Amino acid sequence: GQNIDQPTEMTATEGAIVQINCTYQTSGFNGLFWYQQHAGEAPTFLSYNVLDGLEEKGRFSSFLSRSKGYSYLLLKELQMKDSASYLCAVPLYNQGGKLIFGQGTELSVKP
Amino acid sequence: DAGVIQSPRHEVTEMGQEVTLRCKPISGHNSLFWYRQTMMRGLELLIYFNNNVPIDDSGMPEDRFSAKMPNASFSTLKIQPSEPRDSAVYFCASSPTPAGVYGYTFGSGTRLTVV
Repeated sequence: GQNIDQPTEMTATEGAIVQINCTYQTSGFNGLFWYQQHAGEAPTFLSYNVLDGLEEKGRFSSFLSRSKGYSYLLLKELQMKDSASYLCAVPLYNQGGKLIFGQGTELSVKP
Repeated sequence: DAGVIQSPRHEVTEMGQEVTLRCKPISGHNSLFWYRQTMMRGLELLIYFNNNVPIDDSGMPEDRFSAKMPNASFSTLKIQPSEPRDSAVYFCASSPTPAGVYGYTFGSGTRLTVV
C-alpha cells in the first residue's frame, strides 16, 4: 500500500525560513511532487524530485532522500502570499501514473 | 495554452438531481484525473483515464458516480442522484504519461453544493 504523512499546519513569520516535511511509503518510487494550493484555488505545481538531493528554485527548494522515504520543502524569505496549503504527492507508475496526495500542510505566515 | 478547463465553476443543486461536471484537458496530455477535495478527506482520486480508457475507478464512492471520456479533449463526471454528502470541490487534472518533470496540471475546479 501507500501512505504519505505531513504535518497538518505550521505557522511562521514573514521574512523567516520554514521547512515542511513529508514522509512516504510506496511500493516502487517514481518521484515526488510538491504542490501549492491557495484557499479556493486549484493546486499548482511547485517541484518534482526523482533523485536524492536538493533542488533549488528561487525562494523554494525541495529535498529528497529515497532511502529514508523523506522529502521536505524549504521556503525562504517568507512572504504573506506564501500562506497556503502545501501538498506532497507521489505518482504510482505501476498503476499508470496515479497521483496520490498527502493531506496537506496549512502554512500561515504572520507579520 | 488555455490549461485544463472545467465547467461549471459553481453548481448548486437539490438532493436527488443529476449533476454533470465537465473537463477539457490540455491538448497532448494523454492522462486525465478526477479528484474530489473536502476538508475532512483532502484530495481524493476518484478515477483516471489513460488514452481515453478508464484505468482505475477504485476511488469512485458508489454507483451514483460515473465518468466518461468519449475523446481526447473531453471528459464528464456525473452524479445521479446527488446527495448532500457529495458537496465538495471537484478537480480535473491532466498530464502527459509519464508526468515526470512536467507534473500534473489542475483545472480551476467545480464547487458543488447539494442542498
